[in-house]
Amino acid sequence: QSVLTQPPSVSGAPGQNVTISCTGNSSNIGAGSAVHWYQHLPGTAPKLLIFGYTNRPSGVPDRFSGSKSGTSASLAITGLQAEDEADYYCQSYDSGLSGWVFGGGTKVTVL
Amino acid sequence: EVQLVESGGGLVQPGGSLRLSCAASGFTFSSYAMTWVRQAPGKGLEWVSTIHNGGGGSFYADSVKGRFTISRDNSKNMLYLQTDSLRAEDTAVYYCAKNYGMPTSNYYFDYWGQGTLVTVSS
Repeated sequence: QSVLTQPPSVSGAPGQNVTISCTGNSSNIGAGSAVHWYQHLPGTAPKLLIFGYTNRPSGVPDRFSGSKSGTSASLAITGLQAEDEADYYCQSYDSGLSGWVFGGGTKVTVL
Repeated sequence: EVQLVESGGGLVQPGGSLRLSCAASGFTFSSYAMTWVRQAPGKGLEWVSTIHNGGGGSFYADSVKGRFTISRDNSKNMLYLQTDSLRAEDTAVYYCAKNYGMPTSNYYFDYWGQGTLVTVSS
C-alpha cells in the first residue's frame, strides 16, 4: 500500500484529455512537501515530467501540466497521443517515514 | 549530457550479497545528492536510499535499513549500493538517480539510469 494514492489506470482516445490524481496526507503533501511526476516506460529509465507541482523541465511538451489542491496533486495530459502510453508516478517526501515516497503508479492507455 | 550507468546486478541466493555501482558523467558529481530507487516485477517504483553530495548523510527505506549501505566516491564519480542479507522480495531493477531541489525534503530525481536487475533466488 503506497503512502501516495493514485488510480491504477486511466484511458482516453487520441486527442482527449486525462487527469491523474495523487492523494497524500498531513505527513507529506499536507506538510508542505512538493510533488513531482515521472513517466516510465518498462525497460527504460524513468523520465522527470513535472517538478515542484507545476514546473516542466526543458523538453517536456506543454501538453503535460501539474496542479495542487490541499493534500492532493494532479497531472493533466491534454491532447493525448499514442506516445503518452506509459506508467506515471507521483513522488514526494514523507516526514513521518523520514524518506521519499512514490505513488503506486497509474497506467495510461491510449485507446 | 548527463549519463548514469548501473552495473553489478545478477542472480544471488537468499542471504547473499551484491555490490551495485553507478558511473556518473556529464555533471559535477560531487555537487549533488544521489539516490537508489527500485522496481520489483509487476510493481511500482520504491525509494531505497539517498546520500548527500559529500557523503556525510545517508537515508534508507525501512525495508532495507540495516541490510543495505549506500556510499560514493566523488574522486571517481561513482555511486554504490552494498546489498547484504538479500531476500526474495529484494528482487527488482535497481535504478540510480541524480537528485535536485532544496531543501532536502523537496528533492526530486532529474536524471535516471537504465537500471540493473537483481534476482534473489535459490
